Amino acid sequence: DTGVSQDPRHKITKRGQNVTFRCDPISEHNRLYWYRQTLGQGPEFLTYFQNEAQLEKSRLLSDRFSAERPKGSFSTLEIQRTEQGDSAMYLCASSLSGNSNEQFFGPGTRLTVL
Amino acid sequence: AQKITQTQPGMFVQEKEAVTLDCTYDTSDQSYGLFWYKQPSSGEMIFLIYQGSYDEQNATEGRYSLNFQKARKSANLVISASQLGDSAMYFCAMRRNSGNTPLVFGKGTRLSVIA
Repeated sequence: DTGVSQDPRHKITKRGQNVTFRCDPISEHNRLYWYRQTLGQGPEFLTYFQNEAQLEKSRLLSDRFSAERPKGSFSTLEIQRTEQGDSAMYLCASSLSGNSNEQFFGPGTRLTVL
Repeated sequence: AQKITQTQPGMFVQEKEAVTLDCTYDTSDQSYGLFWYKQPSSGEMIFLIYQGSYDEQNATEGRYSLNFQKARKSANLVISASQLGDSAMYFCAMRRNSGNTPLVFGKGTRLSVIA
């Protein structure tokens, strides 16, 4: 396994359009996280899954955002009716359960909303 | 709530010298973990080192060591023998150990290594 992959790497869309991002975690990892990173900031937590269950959602995750991990493997993050403020890098990470286990990050999807 | 503070927006270091990147944290939890990640210009986040709150010894991983001072709530990253490839953004992060919560990140420090 070569690590966490994300698709697409870049997405440019017009305000009001819907976009969907995909994350494929490391195969044996049961935890999957979504973060958002804006310019000059550290990543901010959006939501995470343990297997197929979505365990926590940040207040940053408005009603326009939805995430799924239907079979406990890959995950999708959808943003409906995009706004210019949604422009950011969307990072996916995966890990094994356990307190000291580090999260392995994917290369990110850079979203630009025009 | 947990909070990470990185007060150095940018740092410069001469190649082959050591450098310390500062990180302070705030939490009311007794059990927690501290992490450092490196983010090169390509954008991927690379895990560097981990320190658990109950670990008595400071963590080390090759040229990276974590200077953990629990009473001061600080977790500084020390990079020894800096290399040009160390130029990147460095993020300190923490997580609560109970409930397996996600990471909370600081704003980062941009390290530039000069030849």
